[in-house]
Amino acid sequence: GQSLEQPSEVTAVEGAIVQINCTYQTSGFYGLSWYQQHDGGAPTFLSYNALDGLEETGRFSSFLSRSDSYGYLLLQELQMKDSASYFCAVNYGQNFVFGPGTRLSVLP
Amino acid sequence: DTGVSQDPRHKITKRGQNVTFRCDPISEHNRLYWYRQTLGQGPEFLTYFQNEAQLEKSRLLSDRFSAERPKGSFSTLEIQRTEQGDSAMYLCASRGQNEKLFFGSGTQLSVL
Repeated sequence: GQSLEQPSEVTAVEGAIVQINCTYQTSGFYGLSWYQQHDGGAPTFLSYNALDGLEETGRFSSFLSRSDSYGYLLLQELQMKDSASYFCAVNYGQNFVFGPGTRLSVLP
Repeated sequence: DTGVSQDPRHKITKRGQNVTFRCDPISEHNRLYWYRQTLGQGPEFLTYFQNEAQLEKSRLLSDRFSAERPKGSFSTLEIQRTEQGDSAMYLCASRGQNEKLFFGSGTQLSVL
């Protein structure tokens, strides 16, 4: 089956670093993506890991370990505008299966 | 790049009525996806098109749902005999040659 787990909520202060984890129980996928969604908005692409290891895109980094069935999104130098929901998604080629999402609240 | 457009933004209907939503993907994208999202949940996959061919459909999808992409450009999603449980945000996404999905703003369906 296809099952992804994420923490439901994370809270951090402005300027801090936060890590959002994604664990999965699946195999045979092409890669792991991360999306950001503000309230009332559409999901927007943040990062993608096709291979194990770290991918860095500005303040955001994403990590994948297939052997550990685990990935994470790392957000550095948090800003108030980073308050949003974050979803991991497994790429099966013809469909992407999304996790339940983590709601990040950034406090001043 | 004009982005993915969805119409209408909001739809209120009575139970038992049929509704149809439209999605215009990014013009050079040949892959198109429909998702459904309820409050506090992640997007749930409904169906996938490559050009005009519908290649994947969720096994959870009721036969009241049908989607088309007749010329490989825009797509429509129809829900027949709507039920209150169909109330959700219906998202369309298109994809080019890389792994990025570009989502539209969605159609918020409310079934009364």
